[in-house]
Order: sequence, then C-alpha cells, then structure tokens
Amino acid sequence: DQQVKQNSPSLSVQEGRISILNCDYTNSMFDYFLWYKKYPAEGPTFLISISSIKDKNEDGRFTVFLNKSAKHLSLHIVPSQPGDSAVYFCAASAPNTGNQFYFGTGTSLTVIP
Amino acid sequence: DVKVTQSSRYLVKRTGEKVFLECVQDMDHENMFWYRQDPGLGLRLIYFSYDVKMKEKGDIPEGYSVSREKKERFSLILESASTNQTSMYLCASSLGGGPDYEQYFGPGTRLTVT
Repeated sequence: DQQVKQNSPSLSVQEGRISILNCDYTNSMFDYFLWYKKYPAEGPTFLISISSIKDKNEDGRFTVFLNKSAKHLSLHIVPSQPGDSAVYFCAASAPNTGNQFYFGTGTSLTVIP
Repeated sequence: DVKVTQSSRYLVKRTGEKVFLECVQDMDHENMFWYRQDPGLGLRLIYFSYDVKMKEKGDIPEGYSVSREKKERFSLILESASTNQTSMYLCASSLGGGPDYEQYFGPGTRLTVT
C-alpha cells in the first residue's frame, strides 16, 4: 500500500514560471519529509527537507510547504529553469521506522525554454 | 564528494539464474540500502544494512537476499531471477541512521530478466 503518493506523473511549465509539485501521505506518524531529484541515468540526489515541526522550509529557488492536517506537502520552484527538468520524488520517514524512507511515485517535470 | 558505484549499468539475465548486484561506497558510511524503482510505484526498499554483517528487511524482500561482509560493499542477490524482478535497482548509503542523514544514491542498474 502506497503511503506516499504523487498523483501527477508529469508536469510542464514555462521557463521563469513557478513549478508546484504535490505529494500526499497517509501515515500520520511521518515526521520528516524530503524531496529528491533524479536525472535520467543518474541516481536521485537530495534536494530539500522539512521536519513536521515546521510548515515551510526554503533553500534558494526551492521551497517546501507542509500541511500536516491535510497530510500534504508541496515543492515550489521559482523561477523554474530548463535544468530543473527531472523526476522529483518526495519521501517520508517516521520515528518508528528507523532508517527507512518511504518514497512517492515521482513527478516528471519539464521546464520549457 | 560521496561516491556510490554500482557494478553494472545494464544487465540481462535468464529466468532462474542467480544474479549478483554489487554496490560500493567510498565515504565510510554506516548504512547502505537497496531499492528498486518501477513505473507507477516509485522507489521501494528491498533491504538495508546498518553495519557489517547486519541486515534488515525493507518493504519487498521476497526473492532477494543481501550480503555485507565489508563496510564499503553491499551486495544484492537474486537467488533465482524471475521476470517480475526486471527493474531498475538503486543502491544508496548514508552516514548514520534516521532522516537527518542524507542518502546518497548510485546511478542504478537496469536489470532485465528474460
């Protein structure tokens, strides 16, 4: 059963505009959330994270928002650049799962020049 | 820079063969992981190891085993490959346990079982 879901398999955005990638989760025990980015033929790389004690974390062009009551998080990329074109995975962990991250299904972002 | 390498980028094996996927990390990380990535399913954890000779099952360990004889090396073994094990396999490592420790991924091995 998929505990972390990304309902949009793909997203296309014009360069310079905002990209919003969404992620929903079902396990209320999740307390830490991460976004990973994956280019073709490469492994995922860590992008940004957020703890459940926060509702927002910002790093340059990337901002992650967490809505615990809705069990929803989103990644905003502003402004979007062609180099941001990749697959984005959200992931979550819970205190009782130790080292385990639960990954979503991924959203393929295409930024159109 | 952390480097995680996987022995093969592409592998084609026959049903019933024993398959070894090797992963090596060069940053003295304690934890190592094996995932498989499938369309519509994302990354799913097969096994992880938090120390030499230690292993823990992930979400989908059936049909797989692992070996960690040295800290830097974590092997995934398919005892008798089946077509439903055709997938992208990703290895990762992290310095410590828990979410504060970033997982660093290798480039993946695309395994096809025919």
